[in-house]
This record gives sequence, C-alpha cells and structure tokens, in this order.
Amino acid sequence: DTGVSQDPRHKITKRGQNVTFRCDPISEHNRLYWYRQTLGQGPEFLTYFQNEAQLEKSRLLSDRFSAERPKGSFSTLEIQRTEQGDSAMYLCASSAREGGTGELFFGEGSRLTVL
Amino acid sequence: RKEVEQDPGPFNVPEGATVAFNCTYSNSASQSFFWYRQDCRKEPKLLMSVYSSGNEDGRFTAQLNRASQYISLLIRDSKLSDSATYLCVVNPSGSARQLTFGSGTQLTVLP
Repeated sequence: DTGVSQDPRHKITKRGQNVTFRCDPISEHNRLYWYRQTLGQGPEFLTYFQNEAQLEKSRLLSDRFSAERPKGSFSTLEIQRTEQGDSAMYLCASSAREGGTGELFFGEGSRLTVL
Repeated sequence: RKEVEQDPGPFNVPEGATVAFNCTYSNSASQSFFWYRQDCRKEPKLLMSVYSSGNEDGRFTAQLNRASQYISLLIRDSKLSDSATYLCVVNPSGSARQLTFGSGTQLTVLP
C-alpha cells in the first residue's frame, strides 16, 4: 500500500505528557499537511510543508505544537504538555500540487485521547 | 461567521431517492471548490471538484454560484453505499496553500 501512513493510530495519554505523531506521505508528493478533526467537525488546517520547509502555520498551532519534516519525506507532529482540549484526530495529508488547487490524500489519522 | 457553512443534517433518505446538499462560503475571493466524502471513522477522500459551469460525475452533480457564494451537491438514485459525511471544501483565496473544510453533512441511505 503506497498511501499516506500515520503512526500511532491511537494514543491515550495523561494531561501534561508529550506525544509525537509520525506521517509518511505518498513518496512522490512533496507537499505535506497536518489537519486536526474533532467529532462533528470538518478537518481544521494546522500546518503545511513543501519539501522540508514549513511554509504555513495556522493560529490553531499554539506554542505547544511543533511540526518537522527534516528531510522532506516523513513528518512528525509533537504536542507538549498535552491538555484535554487536544483530544482529536490528527490527520496528515499529502499532495503533488498545492492544496488549493489539487487533491489531498489523507492518512487514516492518529486519534489522541488526553485524560 | 464560519468560512464554510453546511447543514449538518442528518439526512435520512430511502434508496433511490435524490438528495441535495448545500454549502455557503464567506470569502468571495475563493478560487477552487471541492466535495470530499468521509466514511465513518475513515479519512476524507476527494469526491469531485466543482467547476464554475457545473459538473457531473455519474449520479453526482456539483454546482457553483459565485454570485451567491453557494455550492451544491446533488446525488441521484442514492445507494446504501452513499451513506457518509459529505464535506464542502474551499480554497479561501487564490494564494492559499491549504483547504478550508465545512463541518460536513451526514447522509444515511436507508434500505
């Protein structure tokens, strides 16, 4: 399967702990996106990479959130000092063209539960 | 006001029915529009792009009204497999690199 893969699929953590999610995009896609989705809502944009450069960040991405894509391939999203409000599905997507004009291919997501 | 607004539903329709979803967007400079489908506990997937002249893909027809900032999706002869959440998606400005998703409209097609 050469789709977008995310790991872990589920994470349960206690408030205050740090968590890290990994995303492996489709290999030929140089654009990578992180979105967050809560129950009953559509995905909300968090950040965007073109190759290794982080070109756009949402105001939703507080100082506790950091994303990297060090070699322009896989990406990590770290949340420090988790809060209950961080509980959500974290979706990674990749595309061969800019998101505004092309199709995004999403992974199955990493579901975070903060107790 | 949300950038993209949809009726959340749920819409419960019998097989074979025709159902229409509507969506409005706030930014008149929006350049591109899509409908994505999301099955329960799955990731969103592109259903179709929406073109200014309207477009059709089998049983699905998408229309755009730029003057009213309104997008629609019509599903004809609905199937059980059409049950999903339909997300209206907008590029809020021509230079934006990210898409803005509506909250989705839930459809259940009943046997």
